[in-house]
Amino acid sequence: DAGITQSPRHKVTETGTPVTLRCHQTENHRYMYWYRQDPGHGLRLIHYSYGVKDTDKGEVSDGYSVSRSKTEDFLLTLESATSSQTSVYFCAISIGLAEAYEQYFGPGTRLTVT
Amino acid sequence: DQQVKQNSPSLSVQEGRISILNCDYTNSMFDYFLWYKKYPAEGPTFLISISSIKDKNEDGRFTVFLNKSAKHLSLHIVPSQPGDSAVYFCAAQDNNDMRFGAGTRLTVKP
Repeated sequence: DAGITQSPRHKVTETGTPVTLRCHQTENHRYMYWYRQDPGHGLRLIHYSYGVKDTDKGEVSDGYSVSRSKTEDFLLTLESATSSQTSVYFCAISIGLAEAYEQYFGPGTRLTVT
Repeated sequence: DQQVKQNSPSLSVQEGRISILNCDYTNSMFDYFLWYKKYPAEGPTFLISISSIKDKNEDGRFTVFLNKSAKHLSLHIVPSQPGDSAVYFCAAQDNNDMRFGAGTRLTVKP
């Protein structure tokens, strides 16, 4: 158990509304990631963070922003949700051991945009 | 473009037999490869990994094989157990760029 929680676990929202998903870790790991999982695509990286206020884009970053003001929290924001952003969102951390790139995932947030 | 591909959406095997899950990749810059297992309504869990400088890594019932010349990796599960039934994702990493395959649903029948 890597001590990762996500909130909310489920959310239904309307097109055009802003949405913020929260990822919280308890072990002060430096690297944190946001993915989305869709059928036929596996998991795709949205954004990641390598420290407080240090973030970078991933493979599918359009329409998403992130913030990390504290080591333990990584927020994902959909400024204006669209139906194409209906997905399951997973947060992950990297333990960052030498030669180890394993990422450990939270339980996920199921987001439905109507 | 999908840089990591799992061409078999599903696989069914009998309990006690070998399960072989396959994965192909296109980017020769990937230097680390991983397998994750996912149960419904849970996050993926790390299973086993292999560095690009190796061709085999074993952990209990799980063995990952890497063929760099063919850009192919596989996961062998021996013997398969009903609790292994899940979706398996292969992943490949180049620095902080982790790419996943679409997953293979493994069903192990008692």
